[in-house]
Amino acid sequence: GEEVAQTPKHLVRGEGQKAKLYCAPIKGHSYVFWYQQVLKNEFKFLISFQNENVFDETGMPKERFSAKCLPNSPCSLEIQATKLEDSAVYFCASSQTGDPPLHFGNGTRLTVT
Amino acid sequence: AQKVTQAQTEISVVEKEDVTLDCVYETRDTTYYLFWYKQPPSGELVFLIRRNSFDEQNEISGRYSWNFQKSTSSFNFTITASQVVDSAVYFCALSDLEYGNKLVFGAGTILRVKS
Repeated sequence: GEEVAQTPKHLVRGEGQKAKLYCAPIKGHSYVFWYQQVLKNEFKFLISFQNENVFDETGMPKERFSAKCLPNSPCSLEIQATKLEDSAVYFCASSQTGDPPLHFGNGTRLTVT
Repeated sequence: AQKVTQAQTEISVVEKEDVTLDCVYETRDTTYYLFWYKQPPSGELVFLIRRNSFDEQNEISGRYSWNFQKSTSSFNFTITASQVVDSAVYFCALSDLEYGNKLVFGAGTILRVKS
């Protein structure tokens, strides 16, 4: 597709439950980036992929968070045992090799109760 | 490390006023990109502009204009004759070449345009 597609739009989970978010990059783009935007508007970089390989995971919390980009499937970001502080909007972006991302998906709003 | 500073947390203007949003960046790269995004109350991130570090020409798009000055490491954004629909959070961002060109964002400036 010609846009980054994120699903679901909203996700509500009770504390301790698992949350899984999906991102379909623009067709032909080999890089995928995940960001977390918390209530104070700050964007935190989480992880990036080059095709199915992790490229940069310097922002990824070591516990509870994992991500994958498998061939012919949307990329996914999974949070095991969610906590209240995981409540945020998670944005995904994609880009062609060597380019910074331009366009972001519409985000998934995760609410942990 | 890459850093983007948007010193203005919030700006309020009255419709038809001009407003400038400041962005100052730090980078060790000689090649980089600078961006501005708009995030309206609906929450999506709207891409506004990307500038290459080698292109210091100012850009104008309708009521929007951007002033890129490498000498002061600034990439300021001006909205002329602001409108209520311009109310949003505006983010400046910088690409990090070492890390696959991931974007480093500023903290954002909330712009409120009152009628």
